[in-house]
Amino acid sequence: GENVEQHPSTLSVQEGDSAVIKCTYSDSASNYFPWYKQELGKRPQLIIDIRSNVGEKKDQRIAVTLNKTAKHFSLHITETQPEDSAVYFCAASIGGGNMLTFGGGTRLMVKP
Amino acid sequence: NAGVTQTPKFRVLKTGQSMTLLCAQDMNHEYMYWYRQDPGMGLRLIHYSVGEGTTAKGEVPDGYNVSRLKKQNFLLGLESAAPSQTSVYFCASSPDFDEQFFGPGTRLTVL
Repeated sequence: GENVEQHPSTLSVQEGDSAVIKCTYSDSASNYFPWYKQELGKRPQLIIDIRSNVGEKKDQRIAVTLNKTAKHFSLHITETQPEDSAVYFCAASIGGGNMLTFGGGTRLMVKP
Repeated sequence: NAGVTQTPKFRVLKTGQSMTLLCAQDMNHEYMYWYRQDPGMGLRLIHYSVGEGTTAKGEVPDGYNVSRLKKQNFLLGLESAAPSQTSVYFCASSPDFDEQFFGPGTRLTVL
């Protein structure tokens, strides 16, 4: 089955710096790669996603890049703010279906 | 729209007791999912449903059963709770091949 590895497990940055979180996946048939943000005690919420026919997608300060050949994708957050502090999860579809396999999460701390 | 709701929010069980978690969605989504979230392990899929009357096993199905008698509801059952099932349980729903919307979660402790 699909295996998703996420690094780093914790990341601390100064406010205004950039943050990068990386994920690798094993199933070459995966075609959907969402990123979720989970604040303490809250539900995961989608922040950005990318499909396999696109190499990069950007939404204001957030961007995701996908390298299908190397089977890895990354989340980039620029100009980080304290409210970006949360746990971020990457996920990959299992084959071409709707089911997702999640990475272990990255706890991002933005220091003011 | 309430989105995805879960009942109850918290529950404490003794080993061997049974319980049912209810998930409801008002977005007319075909797909529904149950995940468990444990520290450092992300979200793991327990069971899922691709439509009313259907269910299928996910990554960690042992010890759980599910039912989807109505399109808007997805029930997760624990027949004989074990301490290893202490976790936060999230339900989610989605239309075809698109974003999964999560409920607020149920924190379950098994003593």
